[in-house]
Amino acid sequence: NAGVTQTPKFQVLKTGQSMTLQCAQDMNHEYMSWYRQDPGMGLRLIHYSVGAGITDQGEVPNGYNVSRSTTEDFPLRLLSAAPSQTSVYFCASRPGLGATNEKLFFGSGTQLSVL
Amino acid sequence: AQKITQTQPGMFVQEKEAVTLDCTYDTSDPSYGLFWYKQPSSGEMIFLIYQGSYDQQNATEGRYSLNFQKARKSANLVISASQLGDSAMYFCAMRGLSGTYKYIFGTGTRLKVLA
Repeated sequence: NAGVTQTPKFQVLKTGQSMTLQCAQDMNHEYMSWYRQDPGMGLRLIHYSVGAGITDQGEVPNGYNVSRSTTEDFPLRLLSAAPSQTSVYFCASRPGLGATNEKLFFGSGTQLSVL
Repeated sequence: AQKITQTQPGMFVQEKEAVTLDCTYDTSDPSYGLFWYKQPSSGEMIFLIYQGSYDQQNATEGRYSLNFQKARKSANLVISASQLGDSAMYFCAMRGLSGTYKYIFGTGTRLKVLA
């Protein structure tokens, strides 16, 4: 069972470069989300999606774009990386609102450094 | 607005002893869900336990129990019979169940189990 798969696991960027963090899930989950984890700040929600074609902003959306063209994939784009975006990024998914299972399923994380 | 507060940045516990990790929350949602996740040094996020605000009994999962005190707005995690493998970062989280998909996480408590 693959669950939630994030790629890459590690990435180093130079300031101003762009890149896409990939997230895919094989559980047919309607909901997918991106978090960043910084020391002393816990996990903060960047963007989330409740289904294909539907996305919304979380607590810290600036500097990040998302789209959801399929149920399985939810990529996170950094258009012009900044050192402040150095962080560990987690993708998480769950079944839709109608499901009784409230649990979030997490990917293994992507460690991003912006120099 | 929703908020999760974990006031213990770090804690120590002797192996085989019980330990309580504190979590307080604030929300205007009439119904909500509360979670605890464990993050070992390897970095993955491991779901531990869930409590719905409407649940009459406190949730338990093996050695983990959630001490839910609605009037105090607290959702403390109790780990019984601590093991060395319990050394990790622990995050409390919440989701309001009125329709938003936004999960809010606390800043975490780092637990160290001593042999």
